Amino acid sequence: AQSVTQLGSHVSVSEGALVLLRCNYSSSVPPYLFWYVQYPNQGLQLLLKYTTGATLVKGINGFEAEFKKSETSFHLTKPSAHMSDAAEYFCAVVGGFKTIFGAGTRLFVKA
Amino acid sequence: DAGVIQSPRHEVTEMGQEVTLRCKPISGHNSLFWYRQTMMRGLELLIYFNNNVPIDDSGMPEDRFSAKMPNASFSTLKIQPSEPRDSAVYFCASSFGTGTKQHNEQFFGPGTRLTVL
Repeated sequence: AQSVTQLGSHVSVSEGALVLLRCNYSSSVPPYLFWYVQYPNQGLQLLLKYTTGATLVKGINGFEAEFKKSETSFHLTKPSAHMSDAAEYFCAVVGGFKTIFGAGTRLFVKA
Repeated sequence: DAGVIQSPRHEVTEMGQEVTLRCKPISGHNSLFWYRQTMMRGLELLIYFNNNVPIDDSGMPEDRFSAKMPNASFSTLKIQPSEPRDSAVYFCASSFGTGTKQHNEQFFGPGTRLTVL
């Protein structure tokens, strides 16, 4: 069975600071991993995904994530936060036909 | 492409009334998902269709909830009778998957915010 744990329901950073959102997964098969972002009053949209190949994945808006099998992690990072990054972020793992979403991490960006 | 279309965007109804939420997936996608999002429970998968056939409805809360997909371009989620605890944002998402593999991203609609008084 697959599962996802996002560490920290809320993360607050200053504008220009590093963003680090943590995600750990559990999977009995090679995982397919996703990060989605949800802006207020909108649906989720894909930031980036890992399927196979290169373990460092680049996404939209300057975000990237690294798949670390030994640590069962897929943390999301961005070198410099922008006010427009304030949103909720969801890590997800594919298990067969189901996508298992984490509980979400709300990112606050302070001016 | 217009993306996943949901209607209505907002619905306010009284307890006991029937509610029907509608979804038009992206053309060419063969998988459709209904989710419910609340502060308390987060994002929950209610039901999943593949090629218009319900594959897994284990997330449907109870018999008051039903979903249909009569064709590849339309799906409904119905609640009858509605209760205040059904108040939530309901999302429809679609993707293209082959068989039991869903490696591709899901495209979400804007959601329907349901309030049951």
